[in-house]
Amino acid sequence: QLQLQESGPGLVKPSETLSLTCTVSGGSISSSSYYWGWIRQPPGKGLEWIGSIYYSGSTYYNPSLKSRVTISVDTSKNQFSLKLSSVTAADTAVYYCVAGVGGEKFDYWGQGTLVTVSS
Amino acid sequence: SYVLTQPPSVSVAPGKTARITCGGNNIGSKSVHWYQQKPGQAPVLVIYYDSDRPSGIPERFSGSNSGNTATLTISRVEAGDEADYYCQVWDSSSDPPYVFGTGTKVTVL
Repeated sequence: QLQLQESGPGLVKPSETLSLTCTVSGGSISSSSYYWGWIRQPPGKGLEWIGSIYYSGSTYYNPSLKSRVTISVDTSKNQFSLKLSSVTAADTAVYYCVAGVGGEKFDYWGQGTLVTVSS
Repeated sequence: SYVLTQPPSVSVAPGKTARITCGGNNIGSKSVHWYQQKPGQAPVLVIYYDSDRPSGIPERFSGSNSGNTATLTISRVEAGDEADYYCQVWDSSSDPPYVFGTGTKVTVL
């Protein structure tokens, strides 16, 4: 059973870069069976897809965030990461790392990590 | 971008049936996935490809999709079903391609 665990700072200052890592266990991040991604949820609000990365290395980002987002994979550590630059208070949210099978849905979710943007 | 609309809330008595709708333009031509999110927890996939259940999800959860509406049905509702439910589609012609519904809070009376 695939398991995902987010890690990273819980507090980021405005205009700085939010950096999170997702550690994968129970499966290989190099496997063609899965694709990886990030989803966020502002407090009291709904779910927003941030972006995904596929076995081929291709990445796809939400156009609302595209200019500020980078998702990458570190196969040596079985991890993938999220970087979101120039953050504002609007980026305060619980950030989930996710994995999917088949390309359309999100089968596995990390427990989520709250990131607060504040000075 | 593609828009999915859900009712903000649905209330149901224990043992009854809850139906949660997800409206979208010609959603019947797309595959719909449903997630359950209990307070303070990550979402869990409960229905995928309109009506399939992942292992471990009770048969009380079922789904359908036709026309402009997809529906998640929870039969014989239990107190433990109280949660937020989100529909989601993947639409290759939309940007973003992954879209979530607005979410529905199910309250068990």
